[in-house]
Amino acid sequence: DTAVSQTPKYLVTQMGNDKSIKCEQNLGHDTMYWYKQDSKKFLKIMFSYNNKELIINETVPNRFSPKSPDKAHLNLHINSLELGDSAVYFCASSPIQGARAEGYTFGSGTRLTVV
Amino acid sequence: AQSVAQPEDQVNVAEGNPLTVKCTYSVSGNPYLFWYVQYPNRGLQFLLKYITGDNLVKGSYGFEAEFNKSQTSFHLKKPSALVSDSALYFCAVRDQNRDDKIIFGKGTRLHILP
Repeated sequence: DTAVSQTPKYLVTQMGNDKSIKCEQNLGHDTMYWYKQDSKKFLKIMFSYNNKELIINETVPNRFSPKSPDKAHLNLHINSLELGDSAVYFCASSPIQGARAEGYTFGSGTRLTVV
Repeated sequence: AQSVAQPEDQVNVAEGNPLTVKCTYSVSGNPYLFWYVQYPNRGLQFLLKYITGDNLVKGSYGFEAEFNKSQTSFHLKKPSALVSDSALYFCAVRDQNRDDKIIFGKGTRLHILP
C-alpha cells in the first residue's frame, strides 16, 4: 500500500488553464504539506494543513489554493497557470504538527509542465 | 532563522570508497536534523535523524551521520559507496521558531563511479 499517493504523476497543460493535483495519505497522520521543487532541485514549502486547518501559507500566489476535505487528503488547485509554475510538486505528511522528532513521508511527486 | 547549508553541489566517489556529504546548520536551541535521499523521478525518502543523544546516528542503507556541535555540522557518511547510492541528498532542519516546518538544504548530487 502506498503511504502518500499523488495524482497525476505527470501533468502537461497550456498557460492559462486551471488544474488540480490530489494527495492522499493512509498513515493516519494529522499534518500534510505541499512542497515545490524547482528546476534546480530546490525544495520550498508552500502550505501545511493540520487536521483540515491551514497552518502554513508561505508566500505563494493567490492562484494556488489548497483544499483539505479531511485530514487524509490535501489537494492543490492552481488557477491561470503560468510558465513559471512548471516544477515538481511534492505532497508530504507527518504524524502530529509540532512533533519535532518526526520527519515527513513524501509522495512520489507530480511533474507539472506548463507550455 | 533556522537553516542548513550544503556547500557542495556534487560529490564524486569511486565505488567501494568511503563517502561524505557535508551539511552545516544554523539553529537556535536544540537542533532537529534530518537527511533525505531522492532517487531519479522519485519522492524524498527519509534516511536518518538527529534529535538528542549519541553524536553518531545510524540510518537506512548503511548510511550514518555525525553530529558535531562545535562545528555545527551534520555530515552524512558511508564506509563503502555503492553505485546504487548515486542520488540527490538533502540535509534538513526543523524550524522550531516558526511553524515547526522542515527546511531543506539545496541538495548535493552524489555520483558513485563504478
